[in-house]
Amino acid sequence: RKEVEQDPGPFNVPEGATVAFNCTYSNSASQSFFWYRQDCRKEPKLLMSVYSSGNEDGRFTAQLNRASQYISLLIRDSKLSDSATYLCVVNNPGTYKYIFGTGTRLKVLA
Amino acid sequence: DGGITQSPKYLFRKEGQNVTLSCEQNLNHDAMYWYRQDPGQGLRLIYYSQIVNDFQKGDIAEGYSVSREKKESFPLTVTSAQKNPTAFYLCASSTRIFKNIQYFGAGTRLSVL
Repeated sequence: RKEVEQDPGPFNVPEGATVAFNCTYSNSASQSFFWYRQDCRKEPKLLMSVYSSGNEDGRFTAQLNRASQYISLLIRDSKLSDSATYLCVVNNPGTYKYIFGTGTRLKVLA
Repeated sequence: DGGITQSPKYLFRKEGQNVTLSCEQNLNHDAMYWYRQDPGQGLRLIYYSQIVNDFQKGDIAEGYSVSREKKESFPLTVTSAQKNPTAFYLCASSTRIFKNIQYFGAGTRLSVL
């Protein structure tokens, strides 16, 4: 089993739709979780950190479910500019090593 | 502006040649990383360094070498032993505080002639 797993997609959704991605992780001791966005041929950029209580930033909401060992990202009112690959990242305690999922590709269609 | 600078943006390597990719950060971060990304693939860790003069192998270190002589610099050498070097190389850095958020440079795209 991979340490971090994501559905590669693509998720093709119309503008204005709500879309959700999940990411599962295998190490129950993992403590830091992030969502990054990566545009084609560009570097990953931090979208949001994921906190235990869940957090929201505008149209984006991230949730952590420790019992089932997954994090989620919800995007409301999708825009064309949201089209990108979304990377799930996990950082385990006591280590500087980050574990990346392979990403979920989102295409928002006009 | 604080950030991570990678150079060059594009690099071409001849067979049997060693090439060095530059990564400089002015964020005062302790930790620095090198990743490789192949088309349609996730990021794979090559090397990382938590402190000056110390570094550890990642998951795919064979055919690569690094140095960390200064806090702000972490160059990566792709040696001739790396038989399939064509990829997108990303340098990143992070700090102990602020929940260890990792920041990336713009990347170097390496191709073999």
